[in-house]
Amino acid sequence: TQLLEQSPQFLSIQEGENLTVYCNSSSVFSSLQWYRQEPGEGPVLLVTVVTGGEVKKLKRLTFQFGDARKDSSLHITAAQPGDTGLYLCAGGSNYKLTFGKGTLLTVNP
Amino acid sequence: GAVVSQHPSWVICKSGTSVKIECRSLDFQATTMFWYRQFPKQSLMLMATSNEGSKATYEQGVEKDKFLINHASLTLSTLTVTSAHPEDSSFYICSARMDPINSPLHFGNGTRLTVT
Repeated sequence: TQLLEQSPQFLSIQEGENLTVYCNSSSVFSSLQWYRQEPGEGPVLLVTVVTGGEVKKLKRLTFQFGDARKDSSLHITAAQPGDTGLYLCAGGSNYKLTFGKGTLLTVNP
Repeated sequence: GAVVSQHPSWVICKSGTSVKIECRSLDFQATTMFWYRQFPKQSLMLMATSNEGSKATYEQGVEKDKFLINHASLTLSTLTVTSAHPEDSSFYICSARMDPINSPLHFGNGTRLTVT
């Protein structure tokens, strides 16, 4: 079974601060996805990374896939209250995704 | 963009009754649909994978006779929780994917089930 460990589990910061959350595994993934989920809703895909060492930017969010394709990070610059949510990483080596437990981010105004 | 609709968004039922949850792909044909369960502040746990026209594949530890899945068309999959008990109370989410296999997943907004 492929496991994804996310850290930190909880993060509470002030508006304007920067933060990084991590997604680590002992397994190699062909691709890794990041989702954000708000309470009472389904996850929304933010990005998919495929190539080892790949860096993708989505406005204030920067995603990086490790060279060995076993880990990934999400960095948010100048966090805003609207960034609040559960951030999930998910890896897939076949047609099935394995989800991490998520990082619950709260950005206080 | 691809939209997946789940219905109902919340349901309360009495212990011992059955509840059906629908997952529809509104603007694409979903070859494969996935059903997840999510407990508060926890991640999504895959329950089963359903392919149109064939039997669902259940994950280890998920009772197929309790969680009945039907994927009768390319736009609709249903999950029926039979003889529900309070411990079945959870947030149930579906996702759908079109061909090919590496197509992105599109998630529904989930169904909050409360069994009293």
